[in-house]
Amino acid sequence: EPEVTQTPSHQVTQMGQEVILRCVPISNHLYFYWYRQILGQKVEFLVSFYNNEISEKSEIFDDQFSVERPDGSNFTLKIRSTKLEDSAMYFCASMNRAGGVGETQYFGPGTRLLVL
Amino acid sequence: AQSVAQPEDQVNVAEGNPLTVKCTYSVSGNPYLFWYVQYPNRGLQFLLKYITGDNLVKGSYGFEAEFNKSQTSFHLKKPSALVSDSALYFCAVSPLRGGYQKVTFGTGTKLQVIP
Repeated sequence: EPEVTQTPSHQVTQMGQEVILRCVPISNHLYFYWYRQILGQKVEFLVSFYNNEISEKSEIFDDQFSVERPDGSNFTLKIRSTKLEDSAMYFCASMNRAGGVGETQYFGPGTRLLVL
Repeated sequence: AQSVAQPEDQVNVAEGNPLTVKCTYSVSGNPYLFWYVQYPNRGLQFLLKYITGDNLVKGSYGFEAEFNKSQTSFHLKKPSALVSDSALYFCAVSPLRGGYQKVTFGTGTKLQVIP
């Protein structure tokens, strides 16, 4: 069964450093998402991406964040200058299409980011 | 704005007993409703969803959920709990419309099945 994959599984970085989190969505999916989950808290929406542009973003997704689909398979989240409060589990998700009935977002296993 | 409430941080149930994990939602218009499960150090796994039709939805691992529009609820149920069901369960909602389908999650309920 196809699945969303994410690399790395864990990343430790120093405050102020740039990090890039990578995701490979399910191959025929067209809609891509990033969510995060701070330890012990709920999963929060960050951004959705379709047709090579951001379609919606939350207030969390400020200028320090960016997303890109550099080729036909990868979907990346970049944090330009990490802060302590960016420490969280970051989940990538993909979906086949929206607007139809019954579409489901499928989530990757997550990248645990720790900012020191 | 859409929101989801899971009123119980933790639910304890004895193995073999029925379980219920509660969820209520708020969304403009008709909702997509989902349940996801998260095992320790793992990602979110899709369990089931309600879009339209029969109010009782059946999903993976013997779980089911009942949509109640008048009570705006979507409680997760299983007739007989297993120890392996112990995990964190998230209810989620998305508006039933075209678009990019941002999903809003609840705070999660930890299910502990006691042998």
